[in-house]
Amino acid sequence: EVQLVESGGVVVQPGGSLRLSCAASGFTFDDYTMHWVRQAPGKGLEWVSLISWDGGSTYYADSVKGRFTISRDNSKNSLYLQMNSLRTEDTALYYCAKDGFGGLRMDVWGQGTTVTVSS
Amino acid sequence: EIVLTQSPGTLSLSPGERATLSCRASQSVSSSYLAWYQQKPGQAPRLLIYGASSRATGIPDRFSGSGSGTDFTLTISRLEPEDFAVYYCQQYGSSPFFGGGTKVEIK
Repeated sequence: EVQLVESGGVVVQPGGSLRLSCAASGFTFDDYTMHWVRQAPGKGLEWVSLISWDGGSTYYADSVKGRFTISRDNSKNSLYLQMNSLRTEDTALYYCAKDGFGGLRMDVWGQGTTVTVSS
Repeated sequence: EIVLTQSPGTLSLSPGERATLSCRASQSVSSSYLAWYQQKPGQAPRLLIYGASSRATGIPDRFSGSGSGTDFTLTISRLEPEDFAVYYCQQYGSSPFFGGGTKVEIK
């Protein structure tokens, strides 16, 4: 069974840092681009970042550029999101998602991990 | 950045009715780059349609996608009780972007 399981979400103060993890199983992890997508409480989906299969290419939403860093460890079938200089507006449920075969869509999603930025 | 605007914000329909959801792009989008997702309360999004009109694995044929350029449509031919949810369109470029969503609610 193809599965993504996120972890690492906690309550953190503004200005703090956090690293999210996503454990992948059931597919050849290093064949696929991976994404982080977030959803603020009661709001819609916001794409955050993507990383190519080999980690050689990364892209970020303007709202997190310079503060968040996406990475992956293909030997551990794991995806990460390092989040620095956190703001209250970063409060959200963070999903990791897998690219579909051939790309251009996200065909498998985890259940998400909750990040709350609050003093 | 290509912005996607979905309409209506909320669609109130009865089971068995046809639902037509719109997604308009701020500039032309390749059909290959347009996808639709369904999200139910407390659940992760689920891929429905990719390439504007191709159904994802396991998606019933009552769901169909169409459109090109700046105007795309998701149609649910006959609403089943499990179809009441929020639907998002997405354009997948180097900076993917989701529309604001359309909530399909029971009338």
